[in-house]
Amino acid sequence: QVQLVQSGAEVKKPGASVKVSCKASGYTFTSYGISWVRQAPGQGLEWMGWISAYNGNTNYAQKLQGRVTMTTDTSTSTAYMELRSLRSDDTAVYYCARFLWFGELFYGMDVWGQGTTVTVSS
Amino acid sequence: QSVLTQPPSVSAAPGQKVTISCSGSSSNIGNNYVSWYQQLPGTAPKLLIYENNKRPSGIPDRFSGSKSGTSATLGITGLQTGDEADYYCGTWDSSLSAGGVFGGGTKLTVL
Repeated sequence: QVQLVQSGAEVKKPGASVKVSCKASGYTFTSYGISWVRQAPGQGLEWMGWISAYNGNTNYAQKLQGRVTMTTDTSTSTAYMELRSLRSDDTAVYYCARFLWFGELFYGMDVWGQGTTVTVSS
Repeated sequence: QSVLTQPPSVSAAPGQKVTISCSGSSSNIGNNYVSWYQQLPGTAPKLLIYENNKRPSGIPDRFSGSKSGTSATLGITGLQTGDEADYYCGTWDSSLSAGGVFGGGTKLTVL
């Protein structure tokens, strides 16, 4: 079955970096994009950006530009999200999701990972 | 402050119908497809509706979506206690800072 499995929880100090992985299975990895969405405690969903697994093109949320990098490894069907210069307000659950982008149109995010909790604390 | 506006909460009795609105602008809902997500407590979001009104396989026809102009609506009929969750609308925003956007979420309570 189609699924995305994310790496485990992380605890980081302010100023550090975190890299979360998202391993895809059950579909042709390069036929879809992967997006990253985060959710701070008790808050709503925040879109972080997406990467095309076909050509590696990325689109990042403006507020995260310069601190976030999304990459893929097509040999292992794995996507990665690295966030640098962590602050306390980066504490959140981070989700990857299959991103349905076809013909320059966004259709939705149909398969989600289980989430990775990232805690930033001194 | 979310780009898309949803009511913070809605409620209805089991068996009844409820609608959740999502309001945006011409740069997002007005010119892009809307999707809807259900998030049960402590779980990842789940796609309910894509391309404004299409249901993925496995989503019951109790859930429906519609779009008119710069607003979209999620409808749920035959409410069940298991429908208690947070619901989010999402779309693409084609403005200068192009990217995905979500509503602030609506908490559905089934009384």
